[in-house]
Amino acid sequence: QLQLQESGPGLVKPSETLSLTCIVSGGSINTNNNWGWIRQAPGKGLEWIGSIHNTGITYYNPSLKSRVTISIDTSRNQFSLKLTSVTAADTAVYYCARHGQWLGRSDFWGQGTLVTVSS
Amino acid sequence: DIVMTQSPLSLPVTPGEPASISCRSSQSLLHSNGYTYLDWYLQKPGQSPQLLIYLASNRASGVPDRFSGSGSGTDFTLKISRVEAEDVGVYYCMQGVESPVFGGGTKVEIK
Repeated sequence: QLQLQESGPGLVKPSETLSLTCIVSGGSINTNNNWGWIRQAPGKGLEWIGSIHNTGITYYNPSLKSRVTISIDTSRNQFSLKLTSVTAADTAVYYCARHGQWLGRSDFWGQGTLVTVSS
Repeated sequence: DIVMTQSPLSLPVTPGEPASISCRSSQSLLHSNGYTYLDWYLQKPGQSPQLLIYLASNRASGVPDRFSGSGSGTDFTLKISRVEAEDVGVYYCMQGVESPVFGGGTKVEIK
């Protein structure tokens, strides 16, 4: 059974860079799938951040594109998120997920990790 | 940008009774390849979202057949034929024909 696990700091200072990694186990990341990041602010709905194909092609939410970088390391079976210049509005639970061959059909999700932006 | 609008915001349900959630998009979700890129997810309390329906009407693996998705173009519906207590949570639709956007969610709770 495929498993995804987010890892990274739970507290980031304003203006700094949020960095998270999603470790994939129980299967290879090097498949014809997209791998993505979705976040959920406290008490709010879901927001897609961006995704990456195992070939390295990236897709970003236009509203976050200037601050987001997603990368993939197939040798380590993991992919990563960097979000720069964070503010309190970036406080959220961050999920990683496996998509289908398009940016949906997200059939496997990590448990989520809360990242708080605060000084 | 495509806007996804769900209704109702809250849905009290009685176990054993049917339930229905509506999702409308501001633009057609029918791609030129013939596929309609609309998913449904359920986020149970304290859990990650789980996929219920993809491409508007396809049940995901392991999803009970009491869940069904229908619709086309801009109007979509998720139906639960007989609600069970374990179905409580927030339901989200999501379009994928452009940059993915989720609906605002429908909270389903037992009466």
